[in-house]
Amino acid sequence: GQQLNQSPQSMFIQEGEDVSMNCTSSSIFNTWLWYKQDPGEGPVLLIALYKAGELTSNGRLTAQFGITRKDSFLNISASIPSDVGIYFCAGLKGSGGYQKVTFGTGTKLQVIP
Amino acid sequence: GAGVSQSPSNKVTEKGKDVELRCDPISGHTALYWYRQRLGQGLEFLIYFQGNSAPDKSGLPSDRFSAERTGESVSTLTIQRTQQEDSAVYLCASTLEGRLEAFFGQGTRLTVV
Repeated sequence: GQQLNQSPQSMFIQEGEDVSMNCTSSSIFNTWLWYKQDPGEGPVLLIALYKAGELTSNGRLTAQFGITRKDSFLNISASIPSDVGIYFCAGLKGSGGYQKVTFGTGTKLQVIP
Repeated sequence: GAGVSQSPSNKVTEKGKDVELRCDPISGHTALYWYRQRLGQGLEFLIYFQGNSAPDKSGLPSDRFSAERTGESVSTLTIQRTQQEDSAVYLCASTLEGRLEAFFGQGTRLTVV
C-alpha cells in the first residue's frame, strides 16, 4: 500500500538543540498533518498544512508543505525534555466525501537533558 | 463524548481466543479509522469507515480480522483465533465531515499469551 517515509527513524538530541525531520511520498497529497505521540497515548495533532508552500508555526514548532506536494518538513526549535515522543506525518488525498489519511512511519525523538 | 473512547484499555487473552475491541468516536464524526501499532513501531492502517460508504478494508492483515460500524456511531474490531503476533496497541481515530484532522483514542493494548 501507499507509504509515507519519514526520516530520520530516530534521533537523540541534547536539550536546547533544534530538530528537523521530514516526510516524503511518491504521490501527491492535498493536506499534510503532523502528530505527536507520547508514550502510552494516542497521537495528538500538532500542525495542519493545507496549501503547497505553506509554512505554519505553532509555538516552537514550524512545519512546511512542500512545493511538489509530495513532502513536508517539521522543525522543533530549542528542544525540551517533554518533546520526547514519536512524531508522525500524515497525508490526506481524495475528493468529495472520501478523504483518507495515510500515516508516515514515524520519527522517534529522545531529548537528553 | 468529549473525545474518542476505546475499551478495554488493556486486554490479555489466550492464543486461539476471539477478542472484540470497541471504539466510541466523537459524536458527529463521520469517518472512523482503525490502526495497529506494534511496540515502538509506526501506525499500520487496518480499516476506514466513511459515512454510509462501503468501508476500505484494504489494511486488514488476514480474514481473522473484521470490523463493523453502525451508522456514525460505535465501531467494533474483532480478531478471531488470536495469535501472538496480534499483540499490539489498536488505535481508533475519527474525523468530522469537512474537517481533515483525525482525533485518536488512547488505544487498546492487546497481549496474546
